[in-house]
Amino acid sequence: AQSVAQPEDQVNVAEGNPLTVKCTYSVSGNPYLFWYVQYPNRGLQFLLKYITGDNLVKGSYGFEAEFNKSQTSFHLKKPSALVSDSALYFCAVRKGYSSASKIIFGSGTRLSIRP
Amino acid sequence: DGGITQSPKYLFRKEGQNVTLSCEQNLNHDAMYWYRQDPGQGLRLIYYSQIVNDFQKGDIAEGYSVSREKKESFPLTVTSAQKNPTAFYLCASSIDGAANQPQHFGDGTRLSIL
Repeated sequence: AQSVAQPEDQVNVAEGNPLTVKCTYSVSGNPYLFWYVQYPNRGLQFLLKYITGDNLVKGSYGFEAEFNKSQTSFHLKKPSALVSDSALYFCAVRKGYSSASKIIFGSGTRLSIRP
Repeated sequence: DGGITQSPKYLFRKEGQNVTLSCEQNLNHDAMYWYRQDPGQGLRLIYYSQIVNDFQKGDIAEGYSVSREKKESFPLTVTSAQKNPTAFYLCASSIDGAANQPQHFGDGTRLSIL
């Protein structure tokens, strides 16, 4: 069965410092991996996805993520954090090639950027 | 601007009452989804629909029902059989339901018990 884990409930970073939000997954076959961000009382917004190809994926708002097949990880990164990056971040995985496969979301990581 | 509109933003349900949450999209997307969000649990899939007049149960469909009579609309009914309905409900859509397509979300409906 496919699953995704976000091992940290909360990540605290000072503004201007680099940030990393961790995600590991378990899925047979080729995974499609996604990152979403949620601001309070709002829906999720798509940040980036890995389908195939280059392991470093660039997305919205200066975020990027690195796909590591051997470690089954897809960590979200940003070189310099902004206070406005404070939000809830979700990693998601979906098994490739199947339109009937369901997307599985992690439990979320709350990112807090202090000024 | 294209997007997904959920209404109402807040909803209160009395014991034994069915309530319906609205979800409308003008993105011309084929696939639509309903999720339930509880604190610390991420999102769980209730129902999804890949085309008009067709829908499938997700992981937690019991106590819920949906219809998909029009491409742009995918209403969710929370029935009295759902004993713990208090949650944040999110509707989403994607272009065609393919596994490599991201989902676009509405801003949710928060449902509470009176």
